[in-house]
Amino acid sequence: DQQVKQNSPSLSVQEGRISILNCDYTNSMFDYFLWYKKYPAEGPTFLISISSIKDKNEDGRFTVFLNKSAKHLSLHIVPSQPGDSAVYFCAASDNNAGNMLTFGGGTRLMVKP
Amino acid sequence: DAGITQSPRYKITETGRQVTLMCHQTWSHSYMFWYRQDLGHGLRLIYYSAAADITDKGEVPDGYVVSRSKTENFPLTLESATRSQTSVYFCASNWGLGETQYFGPGTRLLVL
Repeated sequence: DQQVKQNSPSLSVQEGRISILNCDYTNSMFDYFLWYKKYPAEGPTFLISISSIKDKNEDGRFTVFLNKSAKHLSLHIVPSQPGDSAVYFCAASDNNAGNMLTFGGGTRLMVKP
Repeated sequence: DAGITQSPRYKITETGRQVTLMCHQTWSHSYMFWYRQDLGHGLRLIYYSAAADITDKGEVPDGYVVSRSKTENFPLTLESATRSQTSVYFCASNWGLGETQYFGPGTRLLVL
């Protein structure tokens, strides 16, 4: 049973508009959440993270929102750019259980010029 | 070169053969990880290592063996490759708890 789920395999948005990528989790022990971005033929690269003591973290065009009661987080990209086209993975960790990440299945974002 | 590297980048092998995927990092990170990426599953942890000579199983360890005799290297061996092990394999490393994991470029493995 997947503990971290990204229910949208793909998302297409117009350049300049907002991209919203969603992620749900089931393990209430997760206390740290991350988003990674992956281009074809490359490894994932860290994008942004949020601790469970916060509900929002912002870094430039990227904002992550955490709703602990709903066990849901989202990544907002504003404004979206063609270079943002990639696969985005949500990941979570339970820092009391050790230094391990559990990943979602990924969402492929396509930003059209 | 500084960073984390994987070799080979592409590998084709046959069922039953032994295959070793290499991972090397230059940061002296304590932790190293092996993941496999499959469609619909994202990245799943195979094995990880907290330090030299310390390894532990992840979510999908069956059919894989790891070792870590040196801090900078973390090879992954498929002792008898099966078609279900066709995948893209990523190595990662970090300093420890709460620290960002840095990923290598991946090895695409095809088992015929």
